[in-house]
Amino acid sequence: AQKVTQAQTEISVVEKEDVTLDCVYETRDTTYYLFWYKQPPSGELVFLIRRNSFDEQNEISGRYSWNFQKSTSSFNFTITASQVVDSAVYFCALSEAHNYGQNFVFGPGTRLSVLP
Amino acid sequence: DGGITQSPKYLFRKEGQNVTLSCEQNLNHDAMYWYRQDPGQGLRLIYYSQIVNDFQKGDIAEGYSVSREKKESFPLTVTSAQKNPTAFYLCASSIDLADRGQGGYTFGSGTRLTVV
Repeated sequence: AQKVTQAQTEISVVEKEDVTLDCVYETRDTTYYLFWYKQPPSGELVFLIRRNSFDEQNEISGRYSWNFQKSTSSFNFTITASQVVDSAVYFCALSEAHNYGQNFVFGPGTRLSVLP
Repeated sequence: DGGITQSPKYLFRKEGQNVTLSCEQNLNHDAMYWYRQDPGQGLRLIYYSQIVNDFQKGDIAEGYSVSREKKESFPLTVTSAQKNPTAFYLCASSIDLADRGQGGYTFGSGTRLTVV
């Protein structure tokens, strides 16, 4: 069965620091998708990124970057020069392609607090 | 603007009472979902519906019931049989189940239920 682990329950940083959120996953599928979502205090989950299992290229989007390493089953998320608006709960998630979306699992989440 | 509306944002229930959480979407999505969020446990799937008049149990369906009489609406009833109903409840939708597997979720802003 698939599983997503986010070992960091809560992280606090001071504004402008860089911070990395860890995500480790388990799956027996060779084809799968990995995701990161942000949940701000307003409650809704906001999609940040999707990565499929055949694309190990790292991705950068502004201050956000993602490092996907199949060898360690990790999909880590780095925020550079953090800002107070980055304070939120961040979820990593995994979907196995063989079941057409019926297997979609979220990690437990990491609460990030960015202090001014 | 298209989106998902959940109401109310906060709900208080006395022990032994049933309560219904509302979820409405105007995205013309076929699939809808209910998730429960508890601190440190991520999001767990309660029920999902792929099409009108059809729904399936998720991982933690006991003590909950749903209906899908209209495409736009997917209400969740928390029954008195649910032993620990205090939680944050999120509704989501996607074009179809396969779209969810590729991250095509849209989430509502949630309802926080407290049993008093």
